[in-house]
Amino acid sequence: GEDVEQSLFLSVREGDSSVINCTYTDSSSTYLYWYKQEPGAGLQLLTYIFSNMDMKQDQRLTVLLNKKDKHLSLRIADTQTGDSAIYFCAERFSGGYNKLIFGAGTRLAVHP
Amino acid sequence: DAGVIQSPRHEVTEMGQEVTLRCKPISGHNSLFWYRQTMMRGLELLIYFNNNVPIDDSGMPEDRFSAKMPNASFSTLKIQPSEPRDSAVYFCASSSPATSGGARDTQYFGPGTRLTVL
Repeated sequence: GEDVEQSLFLSVREGDSSVINCTYTDSSSTYLYWYKQEPGAGLQLLTYIFSNMDMKQDQRLTVLLNKKDKHLSLRIADTQTGDSAIYFCAERFSGGYNKLIFGAGTRLAVHP
Repeated sequence: DAGVIQSPRHEVTEMGQEVTLRCKPISGHNSLFWYRQTMMRGLELLIYFNNNVPIDDSGMPEDRFSAKMPNASFSTLKIQPSEPRDSAVYFCASSSPATSGGARDTQYFGPGTRLTVL
């Protein structure tokens, strides 16, 4: 079945690293995505990783992919108050067409 | 490009009224998605179109909801009659299979329409 699971809430101190975890079910997914939603706004693509990669780094963001365990994580280094948002993990559905399967989102709260 | 455009941004209506939400996808994108977001149910895919054809409408809650895509640059989501439980933020997103150096089928979201049904 199609299912993407995330923890719902994460609280970190400003300056610390944040790690948001996600598990997915479709082992044939070719792309996995992280989206960010700030209050009152739509979802914006933050980063993505192709399924033949184990890691992708983009400035303060590091994405790790463990295909064997179907586990994806997003690490934000030096977390800032502006990083407070909801983070959605998504997998590209391999069953045809181009649907994305989104997780429920993890609300990241950054406190001083 | 201006991105995905949705209108109106906010809609307040009374129960029983018809509501029409509008979306203009990014030019050149051939897939369009309608989502609903609530605190209780999170982000739900309602329907999506590929080349203006509805592919999967299994997420549409009931017959009160309908969606159309008469051409590649416009789509509507209609609720008739509206009910208080339809109150939510409705998002439209579009995508293209072209990678353009990025991830295939990345969805680009509009700012959403916040619907309140009294």
